[in-house]
Amino acid sequence: DAGVIQSPRHEVTEMGQEVTLRCKPISGHDYLFWYRQTMMRGLELLIYFNNNVPIDDSGMPEDRFSAKMPNASFSTLKIQPSEPRDSAVYFCASSLSGGIGELFFGEGSRLTVL
Amino acid sequence: AQSVTQPDIHITVSEGASLELRCNYSYGATPYLFWYVQSPGQGLQLLLKYFSGDTLVQGIKGFEAEFKRSQSSFNLRKPSVHWSDAAEYFCAVGVTGTASKLTFGTGTRLQVTL
Repeated sequence: DAGVIQSPRHEVTEMGQEVTLRCKPISGHDYLFWYRQTMMRGLELLIYFNNNVPIDDSGMPEDRFSAKMPNASFSTLKIQPSEPRDSAVYFCASSLSGGIGELFFGEGSRLTVL
Repeated sequence: AQSVTQPDIHITVSEGASLELRCNYSYGATPYLFWYVQSPGQGLQLLLKYFSGDTLVQGIKGFEAEFKRSQSSFNLRKPSVHWSDAAEYFCAVGVTGTASKLTFGTGTRLQVTL
């Protein structure tokens, strides 16, 4: 079975450019999470969805960040405009309601903003 | 709000030696507790979880963890470490009502010497 699929795996961009990260959750999972991992701050939850509806976006750093989930099989995290401090690994994870805390993570998208 | 502390940033053990990774949590009630492992360049994988009941829980790859309410701890153990266990280990806490929304510790990097 396919796990959580993220793209791109690596992205290098220049400050001010728009960045779009993509995620395909595991089929049938109804929760989707976006995490950011940095050396300084560790793993931070940015936003999560339940049945395609954003439930908690309190971790989104600022208005430059936005996330959507147009259907059960696809989500995007967009940064516009990007800044060097956004450089991090962004993880998408999905889970099944009832599978409390059992998150399945993708391999991450490593973003470098120059 | 709940929080997790992993006091050890980096631990080195010899292959075949026993391992204990420390985790302390802060939460007013009984939390849901988890250990995840992250291999280099990979996403996180669930090792084990505690919800209630038996305070000693078994996980994958020969790991176990013990919940000690009096010490607010959930330490991870393995009797004999293998070189393939070298990775970063994260303790996480979830709370009632939003159990899929996890708060992660800062991680402990395990190095295994041969």
